[in-house]
Amino acid sequence: QKEVEQNSGPLSVPEGAIASLNCTYSDRGSQSFFWYRQYSGKSPELIMFIYSNGDKEDGRFTAQLNKASQYVSLLIRDSQPSDSATYLCAGTSGSARQLTFGSGTQLTVLP
Amino acid sequence: ETGVTQSPTHLIKTRGQQVTLRCSSQSGHNTVSWYQQALGQGPQFIFQYYREEENGRGNFPPRFSGLQFPNYSSELNVNALELDDSALYLCASSGGTGKGQPQHFGDGTRLSIL
Repeated sequence: QKEVEQNSGPLSVPEGAIASLNCTYSDRGSQSFFWYRQYSGKSPELIMFIYSNGDKEDGRFTAQLNKASQYVSLLIRDSQPSDSATYLCAGTSGSARQLTFGSGTQLTVLP
Repeated sequence: ETGVTQSPTHLIKTRGQQVTLRCSSQSGHNTVSWYQQALGQGPQFIFQYYREEENGRGNFPPRFSGLQFPNYSSELNVNALELDDSALYLCASSGGTGKGQPQHFGDGTRLSIL
């Protein structure tokens, strides 16, 4: 069973702090990894994707990929209350390169 | 650029009935994937269509079936509905399955089975 595991949380950080979200995966064939944000009752919204080892930065968000350790992370700098949501980590697998999702980490940013 | 649109937004059915959910892919996207998301869980892959052919399938029974049309829109059909089919059904489109081709989700259809 190809799996993606996330710390289920919930995770609470104060406004302005760095939020760190982590994810591990079991399928060494996974090539690309995605972070989606999902507000309650809404659909997942793509934040970032990464497929090369190392860091990728986009504004306040940094994704990190370590293929040797099979580990993906998302850092959110200067966290805002509007960042409060469930964050879903997903990796591609299978012939269709479909997304295999973790169960999500619920983040709350406290004002 | 038009994003992924799904219809209907909400649907209530009873056990044993059949349902059809619809999805229009984002402009320029030829690949559509369907996912089921139960409450408190991550989305689970149902199947994917690429240029009107099924391109991959997850661990769902045959009563879950689909179609993709020449304009790349898609349908998800579920027969003999069961209580456990109650979930948010998500459609995602992409420009292909390459490494740099992220999937973008529609707003979903929330299906409730009574």
